Amino acid sequence: QKEVEQNSGPLSVPEGAIASLNCTYSDRVSQSFFWYRQYSGKSPELIMSIYSNGDKEDGRFTAQLNKASQYVSLLIRDSQPSDSATYLCAVQMDSSYKLIFGSGTRLLVRP
Amino acid sequence: DGGITQSPKYLFRKEGQNVTLSCEQNLNHDAMYWYRQDPGQGLRLIYYSQIVNDFQKGDIAEGYSVSREKKESFPLTVTSAQKNPTAFYLCASTRKNTGELFFGEGSRLTVL
Repeated sequence: QKEVEQNSGPLSVPEGAIASLNCTYSDRVSQSFFWYRQYSGKSPELIMSIYSNGDKEDGRFTAQLNKASQYVSLLIRDSQPSDSATYLCAVQMDSSYKLIFGSGTRLLVRP
Repeated sequence: DGGITQSPKYLFRKEGQNVTLSCEQNLNHDAMYWYRQDPGQGLRLIYYSQIVNDFQKGDIAEGYSVSREKKESFPLTVTSAQKNPTAFYLCASTRKNTGELFFGEGSRLTVL
């Protein structure tokens, strides 16, 4: 079983819709969770971090964490074509600096 | 402006050659990382370093080597022992005790 799992997609949503991206992880002692956005041919950039159960909102983005169920999700409200990218979920498994990445979900926002 | 600089952006290598990818940061970050990304795949950790003169193997360290002689620099050598080195290599750094990575623009290595 992979340590961090994501549906590869593509997830296709119309412009203005809510895009929902999900990620599950296997290690119960995982402490910190991150969402990175990666445009084609570019390097990833951090868009959200979440450390405790519940929701965290930042503009059009909301990260949701449920440690009991071992999943973390990212909601993108009012999706724009410029949101079309691959979204990578990353989990910090312990107190070290090591981050484990999922394989990413490709999001397509249709105009 | 602070950031992470990787060079070269594109590199072609003949089989049997060692190549070194440069990574320099001026963010005063303690930890630095090297990841490899293959088409349609996530990032796989090669090596990481938390402090100068110390580094740890990641999940796919075989065929790679690193050094951390200065806080700002973390070069990666892809040796001839790496059987399938064609990939996109990403260097990243972070402040102490956080997993919020800042990435360089990446180096794309192609073996001819």
